[in-house]
Amino acid sequence: DVKVTQSSRYLVKRTGEKVFLECVQDMDHENMFWYRQDPGLGLRLIYFSYDVKMKEKGDIPEGYSVSREKKERFSLILESASTNQTSMYLCASRSGMRGETQYFGPGTRLLVL
Amino acid sequence: GEDVEQSLFLSVREGDSSVINCTYTDSSSTYLYWYKQEPGAGLQLLTYIFSNMDMKQDQRLTVLLNKKDKHLSLRIADTQTGDSAIYFCAEIPSGGTYKYIFGTGTRLKVLA
Repeated sequence: DVKVTQSSRYLVKRTGEKVFLECVQDMDHENMFWYRQDPGLGLRLIYFSYDVKMKEKGDIPEGYSVSREKKERFSLILESASTNQTSMYLCASRSGMRGETQYFGPGTRLLVL
Repeated sequence: GEDVEQSLFLSVREGDSSVINCTYTDSSSTYLYWYKQEPGAGLQLLTYIFSNMDMKQDQRLTVLLNKKDKHLSLRIADTQTGDSAIYFCAEIPSGGTYKYIFGTGTRLKVLA
């Protein structure tokens, strides 16, 4: 079974703090994704990485950056957290094959005060 | 533009059938997916359909695809309380390999 883990289930941070969200997958997948999920808006893609050290902006990259130094790990960084970044963050991974599904982690619920 | 639409809520009685609908905009999408999200969890793949199929059945789940109307539906037969969750449809637009477009999600509530 594919396993995608996220470093925290719940996180509370203050405005202006730097926040790191970590995601690890154990299936040697090439592609990894970060989404945020908000009620009524579904999932919106923040960034994705198609291979180590490779990244592309998604639909809402502003205020975020990412790092993929190793194949199994994809980090999402909030350089200076703001209250409008309070959300559920979901990480996913998939192999590089076309049509292959994504496998999701359990999510990190972030509250920025 | 790219947009996948779903109704936000659906309520059914235990034992009835549930039908969750999805409208997508890219008629050339090759893969369409249904995911389930239980409370406090990530998304889990339920089923998928290739664009050259009209229907796919998998135990209690039936997926119908109407490419002319760009309409996808998920039918759950004999709905159980454990089916209460948010259901997302997703597509991979033509020409895309990495980018999935997700719907807003439909929250299914099953009443005992």
